[in-house]
Amino acid sequence: GENVEQHPSTLSVQEGDSAVIKCTYSDSASNYFPWYKQELGKRPQLIIDIRSNVGEKKDQRIAVTLNKTAKHFSLHITETQPEDSAVYFCAPIKAAGNKLTFGGGTRVLVKP
Amino acid sequence: GAVVSQHPSRVICKSGTSVKIECRSLDFQATTMFWYRQFPKKSLMLMATSNEGSKATYEQGVEKDKFLINHASLTLSTLTVTSAHPEDSSFYICSASNYRDGYTFGSGTRLTVV
Repeated sequence: GENVEQHPSTLSVQEGDSAVIKCTYSDSASNYFPWYKQELGKRPQLIIDIRSNVGEKKDQRIAVTLNKTAKHFSLHITETQPEDSAVYFCAPIKAAGNKLTFGGGTRVLVKP
Repeated sequence: GAVVSQHPSRVICKSGTSVKIECRSLDFQATTMFWYRQFPKKSLMLMATSNEGSKATYEQGVEKDKFLINHASLTLSTLTVTSAHPEDSSFYICSASNYRDGYTFGSGTRLTVV
């Protein structure tokens, strides 16, 4: 099965700074790469995703970059705000409908 | 957008009893339902995958006789934790999938076994 690793496991940044989380995966057949945000006690929320035919996608302060050759993709958050504090998970998969295998998560703390 | 309703949100039960958790897709038909368990400060671990009308597929290490999954219709899937013990205390969350809406998560159930 898919082996997914996230780094770092925790990330503390000053408000306004940028945060970057990297996700590496093992299955070269993966072609859908989502990032989820989970606040304490809540459900994961999809914040951005990318498909294998695109190298980068941006949505306001959030961006995802993909390197299929190296089998990793990254989440970039710019101008961080306290409400960005949460746990972020990556979950690369081969195709829609397949089971999601989550990375270990990255706890992000944005200090005011 | 797609909504999955999960109940109960919290439950406390005595050791040895069973607990049923329900997930309903409110405005779409969920062809597949995934059930996850999440321990504090840990990632979501897939327990099983169920497709409507067929038996669930359990992940390695998950006891199928302890965690009973029923997916009798395209809008309802249930997880029953049988003979619960304190080590079963966790956050359980479902995720419904269909090809149109992708993945939609329920709000989760925090189970405490005392």
